[in-house]
Amino acid sequence: AQSVTQLGSHVSVSEGALVLLRCNYSSSVPPYLFWYVQYPNQGLQLLLKYTTGATLVKGINGFEAEFKKSETSFHLTKPSAHMSDAAEYFCAVRGSSNTGKLIFGQGTTLQVKP
Amino acid sequence: EAGVVQSPRYKIIEKKQPVAFWCNPISGHNTLYWYLQNLGQGPELLIRYENEEAVDDSQLPKDRFSAERLKGVDSTLKIQPAELGDSAVYLCASSRETGGTYEQYFGPGTRLTVT
Repeated sequence: AQSVTQLGSHVSVSEGALVLLRCNYSSSVPPYLFWYVQYPNQGLQLLLKYTTGATLVKGINGFEAEFKKSETSFHLTKPSAHMSDAAEYFCAVRGSSNTGKLIFGQGTTLQVKP
Repeated sequence: EAGVVQSPRYKIIEKKQPVAFWCNPISGHNTLYWYLQNLGQGPELLIRYENEEAVDDSQLPKDRFSAERLKGVDSTLKIQPAELGDSAVYLCASSRETGGTYEQYFGPGTRLTVT
C-alpha cells in the first residue's frame, strides 16, 4: 500500500525567494513519485517525475525534486519564486509493481507575495 | 498533440437528478482514469480502464455511479441519482502504459454542483 503526506497545506514565500514544498511517502514497493501543479479551474499538469536512475530530477518551470529513500521524501524546490508559481501543488506516488493507480497527497497551496 | 478533453466543464443539477460526464483521452493512450477531487483535497481514483476493460473499480460507488469505455477510446461517467455530497470536480486522465513513461495526463475536469 502507498500513501503520501504533504507537510503544510499553505506555504507563502516572497517573489525571488526559495520555494520548498515537502512530501513524504510510504510504499511497500519501490515507488514512482510525481509532482503535479494545478492552477484554478484547470486540470493537473505534470511538473516532474522520479521512476529510476538519478535521484535529483529536474522539471518544468525551474522546479526540481530529490528522491531520498532513507528519508522517504521527495521534496520540491525552486531557487527563485515567480508570481506565476502561485498554485496548488500535489505530490503523488504509485508502486512500480502495480498498474497505474496514483495516490495523491492533500496538496499544498503556494502563495507568492510581491 | 491534443490533450485530454472533458465535457461539460461545469454542471449544476438538483439532487436526485442524473448526470453524465464525457472524456476523450489523448490519441493512442490505452489507459483511462476517472478521479474525484473534493474541495481542498487531492484526486482519488474512481475507476481505471485498460482499453475497454475496467481493471480497477474498487473505489467506484456502484449503487449510483457507472462508467463505460466503448471501443477503448472515449469514456462516460454517470451518476444516478446525484446526491448533495457528489458536488466535486471529476477529472479524467489518460496514459500510455508502455515504454515506461508512467505519466498520466489530466483533462480540465468537470465541476459538478448538486443543489
